[in-house]
Amino acid sequence: QVQLVESGGGVVQPGTSLRLSCAASGFTFSRFGLHWVRQAPGKGLEWVALTSYDGGNKYYADSVKGRFSISRDNSKDTLYLEMNSLRPEDTALYYCARDVRALGTYSYFDHWGQGALVTVSS
Amino acid sequence: SYVLTQPPSVSVAPGQTARVTCGGDNIEYKSVHWYQQKPGQAPVLVVHDVTDRPSGIPERFSGSNSGNTATLTISRVEAGDEAEYYCQVWDSSSDHFVFGTGTKVTVL
Repeated sequence: QVQLVESGGGVVQPGTSLRLSCAASGFTFSRFGLHWVRQAPGKGLEWVALTSYDGGNKYYADSVKGRFSISRDNSKDTLYLEMNSLRPEDTALYYCARDVRALGTYSYFDHWGQGALVTVSS
Repeated sequence: SYVLTQPPSVSVAPGQTARVTCGGDNIEYKSVHWYQQKPGQAPVLVVHDVTDRPSGIPERFSGSNSGNTATLTISRVEAGDEAEYYCQVWDSSSDHFVFGTGTKVTVL
C-alpha cells in the first residue's frame, strides 16, 4: 500500500533553515507528482509546493516562494522541502502528498503522509 | 488569487443529509475535489473531479458544481462523518492549488 513518511521537523529559531524529507513506498515513485501541504495549529490546509514526476517543473505558493525549495531524489524514493529564512508564521504541520498525475497540475491529492511538525520560535 | 469560501460549520442529525458548499468565481468551470479530515489525522480524499468517489468511499458522499458554488452532499449522515471538510481546485491563472476555508460538520 502507498506510504508517505515525513521526517525532519523540529523547533527552530526565526531566520534559520530546516530540511524536511518524505520517504515513499508502495508505488512507483518516479511516475507521480508530489506536494507539500501545511496546516498551522487550529487552521486550515495551505498548499506549499509541487514538483512534477521528474523534478522538471516546480510550483510554489506565494507565501514561500524564494524561501522554500522542493526537490526529489527518484533513486531514493524521497521528497524534500528545504526551508530557509523561516518565520513564526511558517509554524505548521507539513504534509507530503501524492498527486494522481505525473505533472501534478490541474489535479488533486490521493495519498497523504501523517505530517512533520515545524515550530519557528525564539 | 482565487478564493474558495466555505461556511465555518454545518450541523446535521443522524440519518439526515448534510450539504457543504464551496463558493468561488465561476467555479463551475473547474474540477473540484473534496477532503475529509478528522482530528489528529491526515486529510482523506472523498470526492474528486466534482462527482467521482475513490474506492472505499461510501456512495453516501456525492458532489455537484454549478454557477459559483460546488457542493459536497453527505446522505444518511453517520456519527463517523463528523469531521472538517475542505474543497480544493487548481487555479490555472496563478498555477496554484487552492483549498477552501474548511467546514466543520457536526452530527447532533
